[in-house]
Amino acid sequence: DIQLTQSPSFLSASVGDRVTITCRASQGISSYLAWYQQKPGKAPKLLIYAASTLQSGVPSRFSGSRSGTGTEFTLTISSLQPEDFATYYCQQLNSYPPTFGPGTKVDI
Amino acid sequence: QVQLVESGGGVVQPGRSLRLSCAASGFSLSIFGMHWVRQAPGKGLEWVAVMSYDGSDEYYADSVKGRFTISRDNSKNTLYLQMNSLRAEDTAVYYCARPPWEGQWLVPVNYWGQGTLVTVSS
Repeated sequence: DIQLTQSPSFLSASVGDRVTITCRASQGISSYLAWYQQKPGKAPKLLIYAASTLQSGVPSRFSGSRSGTGTEFTLTISSLQPEDFATYYCQQLNSYPPTFGPGTKVDI
Repeated sequence: QVQLVESGGGVVQPGRSLRLSCAASGFSLSIFGMHWVRQAPGKGLEWVAVMSYDGSDEYYADSVKGRFTISRDNSKNTLYLQMNSLRAEDTAVYYCARPPWEGQWLVPVNYWGQGTLVTVSS
């Protein structure tokens, strides 16, 4: 199975900050990576798929990128807004099982 | 609009069985691959199972393989998860989820139900 790690696991930030979360895969997964946002008590929300494609309706302050090797991915929030305080998960969709990363909590 | 409503959760003793349902509305289940994803209390997301749109393929997480079975009744527009030999570590909120695109299943999901809590405890 492909393992995903995320760093940091916890991030303290302020409104207006630029925030970057990294997701690393145990083997190359091309661009088969998605990012989700989850708020307490709510179902996750798809933000980005195919490593860098913004899901419809998601604000443009969210962006995703992939390193050349297909093992390192980043989610960037260009200017953190109050509604962005949440936990963020990556998910690989290269092969079964489509594993999730352990999550990154973004807090004040 | 697309809606997914899970039901069937509850408290069950270890070793017993439970069947979860996911009633879909606003779209035809028969053209979408469908997933189950779970989240233990205070923990991260864990993918559980998927069934292809036509029921020809199904895949499971190693943690549930041989114990859980995903199925669908397209005439009722409902997805199921039969959970047997339940363990304490199966305690979680179970979500059904649908991808944005029809006909594919190893793809992200963007429609989720509200989840149903399964608690395995004696």
